[in-house]
Amino acid sequence: SQQGEEDPQALSIQEGENATMNCSYKTSINNLQWYRQNSGRGLVHLILIRSNEREKHSGRLRVTLDTSKKSSSLLITASRAADTASYFCATDDLYSGAGSYQLTFGKGTKLSVIP
Amino acid sequence: EPEVTQTPSHQVTQMGQEVILRCVPISNHLYFYWYRQILGQKVEFLVSFYNNEISEKSEIFDDQFSVERPDGSNFTLKIRSTKLEDSAMYFCASSESGLGIYEQYFGPGTRLTVT
Repeated sequence: SQQGEEDPQALSIQEGENATMNCSYKTSINNLQWYRQNSGRGLVHLILIRSNEREKHSGRLRVTLDTSKKSSSLLITASRAADTASYFCATDDLYSGAGSYQLTFGKGTKLSVIP
Repeated sequence: EPEVTQTPSHQVTQMGQEVILRCVPISNHLYFYWYRQILGQKVEFLVSFYNNEISEKSEIFDDQFSVERPDGSNFTLKIRSTKLEDSAMYFCASSESGLGIYEQYFGPGTRLTVT
């Protein structure tokens, strides 16, 4: 089965700096989604990028997708202390069963933004 | 903004007991999912559900698990005889469609503790 794997596993930056997290996966995908999870809490959907898209923006977030390298990156610009959380990429299977698809999550990057 | 809700937020049960976790998906969504996250591990897919039947299920989703949409709004996950290893955070998610172009929105989770 395919997997999204993020790196680095942990990232610590100063408030105001940019944070870049990377994700690699193994097989063909329909889309790739990024989620945020505050400690012990639910998953918040951040952004979805489709396999035919190369870059997408949402506020301070910028996501890129390189299907030839099977990788994606999430850039958070001008980071804030409130951005402290774990960030996960999740991929779906292009060839999954008809009518639905399951997401495969990576282990996540734990981002700490120091005020 | 519409959101997925889950109850209870925390459930403590004894080994061998049955538990039912409840979810209310976003109202116009047609596809529903359960995922789980054991502490410190990846989020794992359990099952997807559409048109009152299971679309896909993972190896984790064995005979001890079942899902149901008992009415027009609730979506439930039942574990018939809980084991210690069922202790995890269980997330419900929903999406407009099962096609790989729609976001999956997650609820806040139910933390299940089996003692």
